Amino acid sequence: DTAVSQTPKYLVTQMGNDKSIKCEQNLGHDTMYWYKQDSKKFLKIMFSYNNKELIINETVPNRFSPKSPDKAHLNLHINSLELGDSAVYFCASSPRGERAEAFFGQGTRLTVV
Amino acid sequence: KQEVTQIPAALSVPEGENLVLNCSFTDSAIYNLQWFRQDPGKGLTSLLLIQSSQREQTSGRLNASLDKSSGRSTLYIAASQPGDSATYLCAVYRDDKIIFGKGTRLHILP
Repeated sequence: DTAVSQTPKYLVTQMGNDKSIKCEQNLGHDTMYWYKQDSKKFLKIMFSYNNKELIINETVPNRFSPKSPDKAHLNLHINSLELGDSAVYFCASSPRGERAEAFFGQGTRLTVV
Repeated sequence: KQEVTQIPAALSVPEGENLVLNCSFTDSAIYNLQWFRQDPGKGLTSLLLIQSSQREQTSGRLNASLDKSSGRSTLYIAASQPGDSATYLCAVYRDDKIIFGKGTRLHILP
């Protein structure tokens, strides 16, 4: 009965590879997000989707391509991985408006070697 | 551009003490403010959500206040316990964007 779930939890891959992280929420929320937490633990928004539509793209390189097949899923595909992509990636979801309490997944620790 | 600042960056207090964590934001046009807790290597756990029309919220030993006009929020933790040791994050929400502060690392000394 996990609210926001991400897979995989850990991902180790070589530079230049392409990888995907999956996210699913069962809360019926309209909005889903991807965040990147760097080595200094700062959480920075990457993308925001509402009802499968891209709302926010925070100047993320084109190598990152989110895909939302339906309201409950927001996957993140990363092409040509670089060392600097190593981080923890968090998926989140929330309703809209003043009562928009956000819930986060457990994170995916990506290590590029 | 919204910026969220949390002070102090780190805090160590003896068990049993009450403490206050501070959060400030530059743009007062927010829909709500949320406090999270993050344990090392873990995800974020929502602690309290304060809607923009509210002044405070309470949950157990936690009390969060919001002064939207001055761009400030505080998280008060009463009778701290070693299990409260974690990083506490403040985040503001508006228009499909949640902006985080850099957090306060809290260590409760047994």
